[in-house]
Amino acid sequence: GNSVTQMEGPVTLSEEAFLTINCTYTATGYPSLFWYVQYPGEGLQLLLKATKADDKGSNKGFEATYRKETTSFHLEKGSVQVSDSAVYFCALSEPNTGFQKLVFGTGTRLLVSP
Amino acid sequence: DAGVIQSPRHEVTEMGQEVTLRCKPISGHDYLFWYRQTMMRGLELLIYFNNNVPIDDSGMPEDRFSAKMPNASFSNLKIQPSEPRDSAVYFCASSLNRGGMETQYFGPGTRLLVL
Repeated sequence: GNSVTQMEGPVTLSEEAFLTINCTYTATGYPSLFWYVQYPGEGLQLLLKATKADDKGSNKGFEATYRKETTSFHLEKGSVQVSDSAVYFCALSEPNTGFQKLVFGTGTRLLVSP
Repeated sequence: DAGVIQSPRHEVTEMGQEVTLRCKPISGHDYLFWYRQTMMRGLELLIYFNNNVPIDDSGMPEDRFSAKMPNASFSNLKIQPSEPRDSAVYFCASSLNRGGMETQYFGPGTRLLVL
């Protein structure tokens, strides 16, 4: 079946450090890929997305590139802020459900200290 | 838009009681999803609806769980009888079918504690 694998957390960084959170996927067909973020006490919200190979999603300084050859969608940010502390979820939409059903990774907690 | 609305935000109940969680999706959205989040199992999809019709309920843990969507503006998830292992945060999400670029919009969740 389709699945998403994320790096274990927590990831602990100092403010202004470079961030990478790894995400790889296994899927039948060509899924769309997403990063969602969950702040404490809140629901998930979309951070960025990409629908085909070599697409780059970007938002709020975060970027991720859809790499079909390595089946990856790593999240990066050049300079993190304390306010970026949250849990980040990588997800794919299953082509065999008309791209409606999302499969989520286990989430990676990011802690940014001043 | 008010976003996805869930109620109650917190629920504490005793084992054996019936629990009802409610969701109002974003107006105009044609898909609705129920998820459960726990530390042990992460985020699990329980069931999803398209145009008020259940499409996939394979994630519903057992017969104690049921979900309905009587109209486009409302869905509920019931647990009867509830058990301590049902303690979790339950999220509702909705989306609009646009052929593959859909964003799911999540509600704030209902935090359920079964004693």
